[in-house]
Amino acid sequence: KAGVTQTPRYLIKTRGQQVTLSCSPISGHRSVSWYQQTPGQGLQFLFEYFSETQRNKGNFPGRFSGRQFSNSRSEMNVSTLELGDSALYLCASRQGLSEGYTFGSGTRLTVV
Amino acid sequence: DQQVKQNSPSLSVQEGRISILNCDYTNSMFDYFLWYKKYPAEGPTFLISISSIKDKNEDGRFTVFLNKSAKHLSLHIVPSQPGDSAVYFCATHNTDKLIFGTGTRLQVFP
Repeated sequence: KAGVTQTPRYLIKTRGQQVTLSCSPISGHRSVSWYQQTPGQGLQFLFEYFSETQRNKGNFPGRFSGRQFSNSRSEMNVSTLELGDSALYLCASRQGLSEGYTFGSGTRLTVV
Repeated sequence: DQQVKQNSPSLSVQEGRISILNCDYTNSMFDYFLWYKKYPAEGPTFLISISSIKDKNEDGRFTVFLNKSAKHLSLHIVPSQPGDSAVYFCATHNTDKLIFGTGTRLQVFP
């Protein structure tokens, strides 16, 4: 079956703009989590959605937001982009809250 | 403040020898640990895990050891193969999220 699909794979944006990233989980998976990977900080948790509800949120400013649709697809939005937002954004899905995570290949965001 | 630490950013090992990747954590309440492997331009893939009720878990060439008193875990790869060259992350599962270390880049050379 298809894995976790993230679109787009690469993105270049200008400071001050906003961006929306998309994640389609594995079919049947109801939980979607987002992580940010930067060279200095490793992978850091952004938020998790389960059945369209945000269950958990990491320590990121309010410029980072997300949502989940009824088909479990999720979007992540970053407003007023800063240079430091340049990172690989990874999405992970799992079937239930006690299951393991499967990661997508990520969206590489570059802010110039 | 890093709750999961991988103090070696890189490791170089000859093919056929043992690779040992280390990880330390700060919170003694953490009770489940995972290792992920990541190739460039791909997402992390799950490798092996260990619960705090065990001190060792083995899966083929991969063995994870947990020392709870030292709050330390290690991943052993024996024998190392060139295809093992990747970044390895240790992580713990806490309050429905994964807390990752900063990763160790393993290079296995012929």
